[in-house]
Amino acid sequence: GQQLNQSPQSMFIQEGEDVSMNCTSSSIFNTWLWYKQDPGEGPVLLIALYKAGELTSNGRLTAQFGITRKDSFLNISASIPSDVGIYFCAGQLTGSARQLTFGSGTQLTVLP
Amino acid sequence: EADIYQTPRYLVIGTGKKITLECSQTMGHDKMYWYQQDPGMELHLIHYSYGVNSTEKGDLSSESTVSRIRTEHFPLTLESARPSHTSQYLCASSEPRQGKNIQYFGAGTRLSVL
Repeated sequence: GQQLNQSPQSMFIQEGEDVSMNCTSSSIFNTWLWYKQDPGEGPVLLIALYKAGELTSNGRLTAQFGITRKDSFLNISASIPSDVGIYFCAGQLTGSARQLTFGSGTQLTVLP
Repeated sequence: EADIYQTPRYLVIGTGKKITLECSQTMGHDKMYWYQQDPGMELHLIHYSYGVNSTEKGDLSSESTVSRIRTEHFPLTLESARPSHTSQYLCASSEPRQGKNIQYFGAGTRLSVL
């Protein structure tokens, strides 16, 4: 089946720095989603992307749907301590019986 | 805001016990899902349902079973729990509109089998 390669696997950054993470796939997706998961909780949707080239922001978060439809990135600007968590990308083929395919996650640690 | 609830949040049980993890959503979503996730790792789909009386197995083989008798309820059952079942179990639901199939997750059940 489809596989998503998410990188980096983990990041340690200073508070106030910008962060970038991405997902790539060998398959074409029609939807890209970015979720954040806090420890002991379920993933929470951050941004949803539906069209190639789409650039969408949600506060300090910005995500883009790659032109090739095989990749997406998420940027976080001016990181703060509450940004700590695991960020997952997820892709979906429209109309496919397959459900969301998740990346392996990026563990973000923000140092004071 | 998603209204999807999982109980219990934490469960510690002995080997051989039968358990049922509950998942309910109040959004009227037709599609529901169960994922298994080890700490800090990716999510693996173990079951999904497209509606009442519809259940399918996901990518990851699981000894658990599910049922979907009511739209809002999607319980997961383990007939005889084993230590290898120790994991976090996440329930999700979605309502595809115009191809936009966003999944909303519950808070999860963290299961420990001793």
